[in-house]
Amino acid sequence: GENVEQHPSTLSVQEGDSAVIKCTYSDSASNYFPWYKQELGKRPQLIIDIRSNVGEKKDQRIAVTLNKTAKHFSLHITETQPEDSAVYFCFIQGAQKLVFGQGTRLTINP
Amino acid sequence: EADIYQTPRYLVIGTGKKITLECSQTMGHDKMYWYQQDPGMELHLIHYSYGVNSTEKGDLSSESTVSRIRTEHFPLTLESARPSHTSQYLCASSEGSGANVLTFGAGSRLTVL
Repeated sequence: GENVEQHPSTLSVQEGDSAVIKCTYSDSASNYFPWYKQELGKRPQLIIDIRSNVGEKKDQRIAVTLNKTAKHFSLHITETQPEDSAVYFCFIQGAQKLVFGQGTRLTINP
Repeated sequence: EADIYQTPRYLVIGTGKKITLECSQTMGHDKMYWYQQDPGMELHLIHYSYGVNSTEKGDLSSESTVSRIRTEHFPLTLESARPSHTSQYLCASSEGSGANVLTFGAGSRLTVL
């Protein structure tokens, strides 16, 4: 079955610095790689996604990079702000299964 | 407004009670899902459906059951609630083909005493 490993589980950065979260997966048939953000007490929401035929996608301060050969993709947040504090989940859409990563709790320190 | 709705938002019940958590979506999505999540923790898939009269168990063993008689409705039932069922239950839906962009409901927070 599909395995996905998300690291780190917690991340604390100073406001204005960058944050990077990485997910590694096992199913080579995976073709869609989104990231979800869940603020405290709220529902998870899609923030950015990438298809398997693209290596990088950027939307203002957030970006996702994909390395299909190595089977990993990463979320990059630049110029972090207090509102970036949340739990972030990667998500894998494989041939048979849909799987969330374990989650990363990101804290932005003022 | 097209969205996904869950009721109740909060529920406190005693051990042994039967409960049904409701989930309805007005987006015409074929696929629907139930996740169990303790606050800020992993999302565990407990049931999913790819269409009417189609239901499957997820990765997390669950004593709950689901039904999908109508496209828009995907209720989850616990026949006999226990304290170990205390958690948040999130319903989600996605379109039937292509990239599965999940839209989540606001969740039902269940406490079993």
